[in-house]
Amino acid sequence: GAVVSQHPSWVICKSGTSVKIECRSLDFQATTMFWYRQFPKQSLMLMATSNEGSKATYEQGVEKDKFLINHASLTLSTLTVTSAHPEDSSFYICSALGQGGYGYTFGSGTRLTVV
Amino acid sequence: TQLLEQSPQFLSIQEGENLTVYCNSSSVFSSLQWYRQEPGEGPVLLVTVVTGGEVKKLKRLTFQFGDARKDSSLHITAAQPGDTGLYLCAGGETSGSRLTFGEGTQLTVNP
Repeated sequence: GAVVSQHPSWVICKSGTSVKIECRSLDFQATTMFWYRQFPKQSLMLMATSNEGSKATYEQGVEKDKFLINHASLTLSTLTVTSAHPEDSSFYICSALGQGGYGYTFGSGTRLTVV
Repeated sequence: TQLLEQSPQFLSIQEGENLTVYCNSSSVFSSLQWYRQEPGEGPVLLVTVVTGGEVKKLKRLTFQFGDARKDSSLHITAAQPGDTGLYLCAGGETSGSRLTFGEGTQLTVNP
């Protein structure tokens, strides 16, 4: 089946630094990838939709200059949290949409802790 | 913006009991998906329903999509401790569109 690899699975960084999270579709091409944020015991909150070769579409309230998304190929999208602050600490999850329309596959998530 | 109301948000039951989780919306979805998520991991797809009135069974889990494609339910029979997790419903407005997630149901099955 479709597999999405997300890396790293966890990261600790200092305030003010930037962190890059990678999301790769291993055995299929993903023209669209989604980035979510999840707080403990809560549901997923969509941050942005990423389409290969074009600018990401951000949800209302999500700072595009802080959460940089790059989708340079059909198998790789990256999320960079710039100038991270403790309030950015969260669980970030990516999802890739395969062909056929309904095949959303999720990565295993990245636990970001900003100290 | 489409919204999905999921209930209950928390459910703690004993092994062997049955339970039902509901997902309701005032909007029509072209598809609705159910996921199960364990702590520190991404959601894992359980089922996708696309036809109004559709019923799908996955072992002890039964999923139903409402006739009007605005609501769905997940019924678990004879719950087991291994069923413990966060259950999420998610609806797609159109094929390939972004998913709208419900608030999630944290299920705990006690042995």
